[in-house]
Amino acid sequence: DAGVIQSPRHEVTEMGQEVTLRCKPISGHNSLFWYRQTMMRGLELLIYFNNNVPIDDSGMPEDRFSAKMPNASFSTLKIQPSEPRDSAVYFCASSTNNDRYNEQFFGPGTRLTVL
Amino acid sequence: AQSVTQLGSHVSVSEGALVLLRCNYSSSVPPYLFWYVQYPNQGLQLLLKYTSAATLVKGINGFEAEFKKSETSFHLTKPSAHMSDAAEYFCAVRTGNQFYFGTGTSLTVIP
Repeated sequence: DAGVIQSPRHEVTEMGQEVTLRCKPISGHNSLFWYRQTMMRGLELLIYFNNNVPIDDSGMPEDRFSAKMPNASFSTLKIQPSEPRDSAVYFCASSTNNDRYNEQFFGPGTRLTVL
Repeated sequence: AQSVTQLGSHVSVSEGALVLLRCNYSSSVPPYLFWYVQYPNQGLQLLLKYTSAATLVKGINGFEAEFKKSETSFHLTKPSAHMSDAAEYFCAVRTGNQFYFGTGTSLTVIP
């Protein structure tokens, strides 16, 4: 099992540019989560999908952020336009719904730097 | 209300000393409890999880946690700290299909 796959691993962009982060969850997992981690704010849940449907997007900072999950094996998080304060590590995680004792599996993260 | 609380954002121990990282959960949530570790510049990985089979749960790298319902706690311990244990540790609880994480405890191991 390859685990949760995220790309790119590092992204450096200039303010105002569009950024797209990608995630491939573990095969068979029903839920997918996007998190943002910064020194100041710690680990924050941005959005959570269940069976490809967004369930809770209350953590999405503002309209500049959008997330999609067109199928069970792919999700994107887009920031348009990007701002320096968006600089953070963005994690994708997935889990199954068939057992409440099952944990979340995290990807390696995408380190985003907005200049 | 916070579903899970980690007391102490920073903990320092000497190499070889006992490690104790505290986690308390809200009694209103079912005890689907997890500890994760995050090493520098890496993602979160599971250390251990409570499955109701036993109150004392053993995880990777010599860590263990004890589920105490009367105290609504799930503290993480390791008898003897190693330099390689320096990392950020997160306690988490699962409610339905969502996961709620504590604010994390940064562990420093002093040689």
